[in-house]
Amino acid sequence: GAVVSQHPSRVICKSGTSVKIECRSLDFQATTMFWYRQFPKQSLMLMATSNEGSKATYEQGVEKDKFLINHASLTLSTLTVTSAHPEDSSFYICSAKHRDRGDEQYFGPGTRLTVT
Amino acid sequence: LAKTTQPISMDSYEGQEVNITCSHNNIATNDYITWYQQFPSQGPRFIIQGYKTKVTNEVASLFIPADRKSSTLSLPRVSLSDTAVYYCLVAPNPGNTPLVFGKGTRLSVIA
Repeated sequence: GAVVSQHPSRVICKSGTSVKIECRSLDFQATTMFWYRQFPKQSLMLMATSNEGSKATYEQGVEKDKFLINHASLTLSTLTVTSAHPEDSSFYICSAKHRDRGDEQYFGPGTRLTVT
Repeated sequence: LAKTTQPISMDSYEGQEVNITCSHNNIATNDYITWYQQFPSQGPRFIIQGYKTKVTNEVASLFIPADRKSSTLSLPRVSLSDTAVYYCLVAPNPGNTPLVFGKGTRLSVIA
């Protein structure tokens, strides 16, 4: 149990376009989801915290108008990278907090975004 | 959140026990210690979590001294498939807290 999926697993888009990444908790309800970004050979960096039914909280330095986060249900959060540029190319990972458990976060498999 | 320090990399031969130590001198009273494993191009995978003393599961053991300023992840009899980056994290309520990942330890298991 406690599986998190992400879609797509990898995406290539042209500079200036937008791309949406979905994060789903498959077998549990997630009141909170977190979005991380990981550049090659680097660690995960928290981008934002997404709470169901409310606005996301962004970390310092993360543009909220560029990285749109929507958490419309207890099983789905989406991250939309708007007007993507090559420097946005990265590995995007989400994690979810199980509504009924407080011990660990469950991570998705990640989405590889390449902007050409 | 308490900062963690780990060795950047470690090498081990197959079949050996591997111990990775993490320093967290500023750990708070309500902080838990959690270890994650990450393979290339995959999301982190939970390994083990503890608060004090020793915790063991089917994958690893976690040793935490009384002062809790460090912790050691012990992987028994590693195999090539254990080659990965291992992250030590310290946080209160780790299921509901944004996690701060350090640089992690890159473990390379050699045949």
